[in-house]
Amino acid sequence: KAGVTQTPRYLIKTRGQQVTLSCSPISGHRSVSWYQQTPGQGLQFLFEYFSETQRNKGNFPGRFSGRQFSNSRSEMNVSTLELGDSALYLCASSFEPGQGTFSSTEAFFGQGTRLTVV
Amino acid sequence: GQSLEQPSEVTAVEGAIVQINCTYQTSGFYGLSWYQQHDGGAPTFLSYNGLDGLEETGRFSSFLSRSDSYGYLLLQELQMKDSASYFCAVRDYTGGFKTIFGAGTRLFVKA
Repeated sequence: KAGVTQTPRYLIKTRGQQVTLSCSPISGHRSVSWYQQTPGQGLQFLFEYFSETQRNKGNFPGRFSGRQFSNSRSEMNVSTLELGDSALYLCASSFEPGQGTFSSTEAFFGQGTRLTVV
Repeated sequence: GQSLEQPSEVTAVEGAIVQINCTYQTSGFYGLSWYQQHDGGAPTFLSYNGLDGLEETGRFSSFLSRSDSYGYLLLQELQMKDSASYFCAVRDYTGGFKTIFGAGTRLFVKA
C-alpha cells in the first residue's frame, strides 16, 4: 500500500511569492493534517481536514490556507512568502475511527516539502 | 489553549532504560500518542494511550494518567538506532479534532 506522498520535495521561492504544496494520503484515509516543522520548534499544527471540510486551524496568519478534494488529496497554499516561512512542511493522513471510543488515530506522515524562502 | 511539555534532551547508554515524560494542558483531551523521528526522516507512530495505564509494544511502552495530565514513553534495551527525536502528541477535540505535538525530546544513545 503506497504511503503518503508529498510534492514537491524541495522548493526555493523568493519573498513575496506564493507557493502550493500537495499531499496525497494513503488510500482509504479521509483525514489529512498539515504541520510546519522548524529546528527546535517541534511540529506546529496548521490545519486538519476531513472529507473536504476543515475541522480545525492552528495559530497561523491568513496567508496560510488549505483545502481537501473529494479524493482526499490536499493542498496548502502560502501567499506573500516571508523568510520566516522557510521550514519543512509535513502532511499526515489517518483513517478516521469511530468517535467516542478513545481509539487511536495513528497518523502516517509523508517525507515533507522543504521550503526555502530567499 | 493547548500546551505540552517534554524534556529537550536525554542521554543514555546502550542497553539501558530511558523514560521520556510528557505533561499536557488541554480542555478537550482525547488521547496521547508518541512519535519517533530520525534526522532527515518523517515522524513515525510508536504508540497511543486513550485510557489510563500502560501500553507495551516490544521494547517500547507508554503510560498515561488522565487525572495527572501526564504520560511517558519508556524505551528498554536501548540501541544506537534509537537515537532520534521523540514527540508526544495530544489528540484534542476543542473546536474540532486536531493533534498537537510537543517540541520533541532529542535522545542520544552512547556506546
